[in-house]
Amino acid sequence: ETGVTQSPTHLIKTRGQQVTLRCSSQSGHNTVSWYQQALGQGPQFIFQYYREEENGRGNFPPRFSGLQFPNYSSELNVNALELDDSALYLCASRKGQSPQETQYFGPGTRLLVL
Amino acid sequence: DQQVKQNSPSLSVQEGRISILNCDYTNSMFDYFLWYKKYPAEGPTFLISISSIKDKNEDGRFTVFLNKSAKHLSLHIVPSQPGDSAVYFCAASGRSGGSNYKLTFGKGTLLTVNP
Repeated sequence: ETGVTQSPTHLIKTRGQQVTLRCSSQSGHNTVSWYQQALGQGPQFIFQYYREEENGRGNFPPRFSGLQFPNYSSELNVNALELDDSALYLCASRKGQSPQETQYFGPGTRLLVL
Repeated sequence: DQQVKQNSPSLSVQEGRISILNCDYTNSMFDYFLWYKKYPAEGPTFLISISSIKDKNEDGRFTVFLNKSAKHLSLHIVPSQPGDSAVYFCAASGRSGGSNYKLTFGKGTLLTVNP
């Protein structure tokens, strides 16, 4: 069984640019969540996708957007990058939407905005 | 406003002794709590969870205690092993405003177990 994978592992962008991060969920998982982890902080919920629809969003501006594909893989897009967007971006997948379903995290993509 | 707080950024214990990691929360709508462990360059790994209808859950060396009246939970690791050295995150999930789908994390506690 393949775990959650993310690409790329590291990325450097400049302010104002756009970035797309990718996540392949674990086999059999139809729910994907994205989190941002700034240095010294815990992960913060960005949004969740369930069966290709966004069904939950944290306190992030609209320039953070996403997609989920029929195979349940997902993308996180960030437009007009700001310096504060520098962080580790984590993707997590699980079966269904119950919080009691264990979320399995990928290794993350580390984004640096200069 | 931080709804899940881990007030100890770090903890150091000797191998074989007990490690106790603490977590406080403010949102009374949280009803499910989890602990994750994170090694450098890896994503968080689920460790143990507890529902608000219980006050204790055990899994091998790991036990989580929940005190709802104090809005406090703790993770006990006994005996501690050097391989337990990692950052431990407390997380909570609740049903208020449809938030049952997301986890709210604390800032983490770095546990170091010395041989």
